[in-house]
Amino acid sequence: GQQLNQSPQSMFIQEGEDVSMNCTSSSIFNTWLWYKQDPGEGPVLLIALYKAGELTSNGRLTAQFGITRKDSFLNISASIPSDVGIYFCAGQLRSGTYKYIFGTGTRLKVLA
Amino acid sequence: KAGVTQTPRYLIKTRGQQVTLSCSPISGHRSVSWYQQTPGQGLQFLFEYFSETQRNKGNFPGRFSGRQFSNSRSEMNVSTLELGDSALYLCASSLGGRGGANVLTFGAGSRLTVL
Repeated sequence: GQQLNQSPQSMFIQEGEDVSMNCTSSSIFNTWLWYKQDPGEGPVLLIALYKAGELTSNGRLTAQFGITRKDSFLNISASIPSDVGIYFCAGQLRSGTYKYIFGTGTRLKVLA
Repeated sequence: KAGVTQTPRYLIKTRGQQVTLSCSPISGHRSVSWYQQTPGQGLQFLFEYFSETQRNKGNFPGRFSGRQFSNSRSEMNVSTLELGDSALYLCASSLGGRGGANVLTFGAGSRLTVL
């Protein structure tokens, strides 16, 4: 099925470091969502983006909707151990179907 | 308000059996989408129902089917189970529109193991 290119696939970082991940596609999107999933649970929404160029923060998290509408990034500042998990981006295509396409996920591990 | 509820949370079946999973969306949400999540394939879209009609469909075989009831609750069924069907099945509900009216809220998932 369709998926977004999400990178990096995984990363180990030290507590206190900043983290950056992104999603890219050849398709144009009108909405970007970022989720975090803990083991054995469903994804939980972190940030929603609706306009090209939009920059939105949620605590230590900041996400941006790319100007070309084909990409988005998520930054986590001053990481803490509870940031461990898998982060997914999801884009809703601009035209046609209402469905979302998901990124392949970034597995984050924080070393205390 | 109550979140998205999926039942059962865990189940074990054997090859050839069938399984039915249930999803109760957030009150007022008319869209329910189903996803299959496996370690190697990430989140794969199965189908979406909106107001009792299948609005979108992913690339899964006909063994995977679903339906939505008038109260927006949805079920998905997998017939003739195969080992490769072992996965976490997630459902997500939304208002069903575009942009802010279509933010997905996920349930905790139903973990299916096929032996």
